[in-house]
Amino acid sequence: QPVLTQPPSASASLGASVTLTCSLSAGYSHYKVDWYQQRPGEGPRFLMRVGAGGIVGSKGDGTPDRFSVWGSGLNRYLTIHTLQEEDECDYYCGADHGGVSNFMGLFGGGTKLTVL
Amino acid sequence: QVQLMESGGGVVQPGGSLRVSCAASGFTFDDYAMYWVRQRPGKGLEWVATTSNDGSNRYHADSVKGRFAVSRDNSRNTLYLHMDSLTAEDTAVYYCARAMRDDYGFFCDFWGQGTLVTVSS
Repeated sequence: QPVLTQPPSASASLGASVTLTCSLSAGYSHYKVDWYQQRPGEGPRFLMRVGAGGIVGSKGDGTPDRFSVWGSGLNRYLTIHTLQEEDECDYYCGADHGGVSNFMGLFGGGTKLTVL
Repeated sequence: QVQLMESGGGVVQPGGSLRVSCAASGFTFDDYAMYWVRQRPGKGLEWVATTSNDGSNRYHADSVKGRFAVSRDNSRNTLYLHMDSLTAEDTAVYYCARAMRDDYGFFCDFWGQGTLVTVSS
């Protein structure tokens, strides 16, 4: 099955932009991944889905316009523009794999974003 | 509005059993597959189990297969996770999530706040 890899940390200044990366393992460049945001003490929140061609479907409820996604090859990116203090939290990518007989869910290890 | 409320967490001894629940409201429960996802203290998200909308298809992670069982009662709008043979490695916050399906598979569009399960003697 595919493996989703995320750098453990990222940082950028207040008001700047930052791009977070989720990398799929070789052979899975056609996969879509889902981006989730998790603030401390809260359940995750769905942001949006992304494929190699960009966003797939609609953004999640309440996802700010400052959040965008794009994809290239095995990488799926989440860019956050005009960083706010409230953006400092954890971000996960996720996907599912398999069919009716062997379905499984997958998550990357998550990236902790620090807003300087 | 969509609401998912987990309950049933607590402290259980190693080798013990526990059932956690997820009460759903604000949507037609039996239209949606549902997920359980857990998060060990200070760690990332880990998929645990998925059930189809009617409960006929159920899937579990290898780490819990044979010990955990996902089920649902559509008449009560409730999702369950029954956990047996618990170990310290199962200590985590357990989240339920609603699964939206599109042409490319599932994604979890709404999540609960989670319930903490602690396995300790």
